[in-house]
Amino acid sequence: IAGITQAPTSQILAAGRRMTLRCTQDMRHNAMYWYRQDLGLGLRLIHYSNTAGTTGKGEVPDGYSVSRANTDDFPLTLASAVPSQTSVYFCASSDKGATDTQYFGPGTRLTVL
Amino acid sequence: GQNIDQPTEMTATEGAIVQINCTYQTSGFNGLFWYQQHAGEAPTFLSYNVLDGLEEKGRFSSFLSRSKGYSYLLLKELQMKDSASYLCAVMDSNYQLIWGAGTKLIIKP
Repeated sequence: IAGITQAPTSQILAAGRRMTLRCTQDMRHNAMYWYRQDLGLGLRLIHYSNTAGTTGKGEVPDGYSVSRANTDDFPLTLASAVPSQTSVYFCASSDKGATDTQYFGPGTRLTVL
Repeated sequence: GQNIDQPTEMTATEGAIVQINCTYQTSGFNGLFWYQQHAGEAPTFLSYNVLDGLEEKGRFSSFLSRSKGYSYLLLKELQMKDSASYLCAVMDSNYQLIWGAGTKLIIKP
């Protein structure tokens, strides 16, 4: 593989269920990010990680958690999904860190009913 | 608060030139990015400006005026494949990207 992969491509989830969105990159980038994209709004940062072993909160972190056990993987977990978390979720990575260009995965379309 | 403004939608003709404007008010400035996003796909990087002036890259150019909080993306010799949304994003003082809602560009033959 080359670049960033995300799984699943799409998912329909019942409210209250736990869900983990997967993100893997093979570019050995230090920094990784999770965004959500909703119609009429700009991308909003959920959580980020500047390097393996560290994570930080973005603009809209409530209801989401992340971990960064290694360089390649950055899963996003919804502990108890709610309908307002219906969105398209994009994972991104950048090489040297925050000031570098971010490269995006193909996205996960999540619907919470 | 932080704010990025772009027109919601623009229409242009194949072969023509179009300018997409972006104005911003952010806490600090560490560069401005333009991304292209086709419907149902991921955003892809187009350009980065951190100093005032024009950056040209093929058919696409991006301009920045930091004193005016203003940027534009100029697309020349429009092609049908340029139909997409164009996202403006500013890196703030915390080195986080603040994104505009995007401009949907419709190209007509």
